[in-house]
Amino acid sequence: NAGVTQTPKFRILKIGQSMTLQCTQDMNHNYMYWYRQDPGMGLKLIYYSVGAGITDKGEVPNGYNVSRSTTEDFPLRLELAAPSQTSVYFCASRGSGRLKTEQYFGPGTRLTVT
Amino acid sequence: RKEVEQDPGPFNVPEGATVAFNCTYSNSASQSFFWYRQDCRKEPKLLMSVYSSGNEDGRFTAQLNRASQYISLLIRDSKLSDSATYLCVVTLIPYNNNDMRFGAGTRLTVKP
Repeated sequence: NAGVTQTPKFRILKIGQSMTLQCTQDMNHNYMYWYRQDPGMGLKLIYYSVGAGITDKGEVPNGYNVSRSTTEDFPLRLELAAPSQTSVYFCASRGSGRLKTEQYFGPGTRLTVT
Repeated sequence: RKEVEQDPGPFNVPEGATVAFNCTYSNSASQSFFWYRQDCRKEPKLLMSVYSSGNEDGRFTAQLNRASQYISLLIRDSKLSDSATYLCVVTLIPYNNNDMRFGAGTRLTVKP
């Protein structure tokens, strides 16, 4: 049971390039999330999904897109990278049900846009 | 005012010390509260939920003060392995993880 996995671990992009951050979980969780964490700041929710085929915006969705075609995968797409998107990106998942509140995070992707 | 505020620290304490962190939240409608731990350059992991009556898990005690809108985390008998950043997390809707707000974290270093 690998939990939540993310690829790549590190990436450097040039301004205007695009890329997809991959996230996969093997816990059969319905809920999945993408966060970004800037230095000295709390995690900010970018997008989330409550199940395959259903996604919604979080606090800071501009410049990003997501899809959820399967329960396991929740990729995050950056279309036109900007320096403001330099950050650490965490994917997370949790099970359904009122008591299953713990979010399990992936190891993160460190992205630099120059 | 930030939605969730924490003293960034760092708190530098010797092994065996007792240390406490506070976290204040701005929205009085906040319902659920958590402490997460984040090691350097790693992902956050749930340390404990915070219940209205306060709760304890080994050396860790969490408390909630709704009137003053803060939660606290007390660590007794600090270990070197407790060195990490502690994130305060608040949600508006009970058990709704789509509405979590994270504090920036309090950094703790436990020294020998």
